[in-house]
Amino acid sequence: EVQILESGGGLVQPGGSLRLSCAASGFTFGSYAMAWVRQAPGKGLEWVSAITGSGAGTYYGDSVKGRFTISRDNSKDTLYLQMTSLRADDTATYYCARDFKAAIGDWFFELWGRGTLVTVSS
Amino acid sequence: SYELTQPPSVSVSPGQTARITCSGDALPNKYAYWYQQKSGQAPVLVIYEGNKRRSGIPERFSGSTSGTMATLTISGAQVEDEGDYYCYSTDISGNHRVFGGGTKLTVL
Repeated sequence: EVQILESGGGLVQPGGSLRLSCAASGFTFGSYAMAWVRQAPGKGLEWVSAITGSGAGTYYGDSVKGRFTISRDNSKDTLYLQMTSLRADDTATYYCARDFKAAIGDWFFELWGRGTLVTVSS
Repeated sequence: SYELTQPPSVSVSPGQTARITCSGDALPNKYAYWYQQKSGQAPVLVIYEGNKRRSGIPERFSGSTSGTMATLTISGAQVEDEGDYYCYSTDISGNHRVFGGGTKLTVL
């Protein structure tokens, strides 16, 4: 059974840092691109970042570029999101998702974890 | 920046057909995807590549695209279909991955 489980969320002060983890099982992790998507309380979904299966390619949404870093350890079947210079508007549930390439080359989020809540507040 | 526009809410009675629209300039050239999110749960992929139903999704769910508008149709909506529905796609370059603002479906 495919499972995606996020961890590492919590309360952090503005300007602080936090690292999220996403443990995957039930599939060959290194063969799949992965992504992070977030959802602020009561708001819609926002793509945050994505990474290729090998880790060689990384991509970021405009709102987190330069502050967040996505990485992966395929030997541990784990995806990471290092978040720095956190702001109040980064408060959200962060979902880890398995990425999939469509027939015409675009990517979409195929499977999602349950999410981990990050709260940025003093 | 690229945007996808959805109506904030749609309401139907059980057994009626619910239609949720999503408009975006790149949709003639890019697939639309649809996600269902029930209260307190993670999103679930319902329709991919415009009109393909994900395995395990009831046949009453279907997707279509005409020009710059994609539509999720729920034929014979059930109470258990209530929730938020998000369309997703990319801009013409494929570099910006965007969700619509979401549509709250009420079935009562």
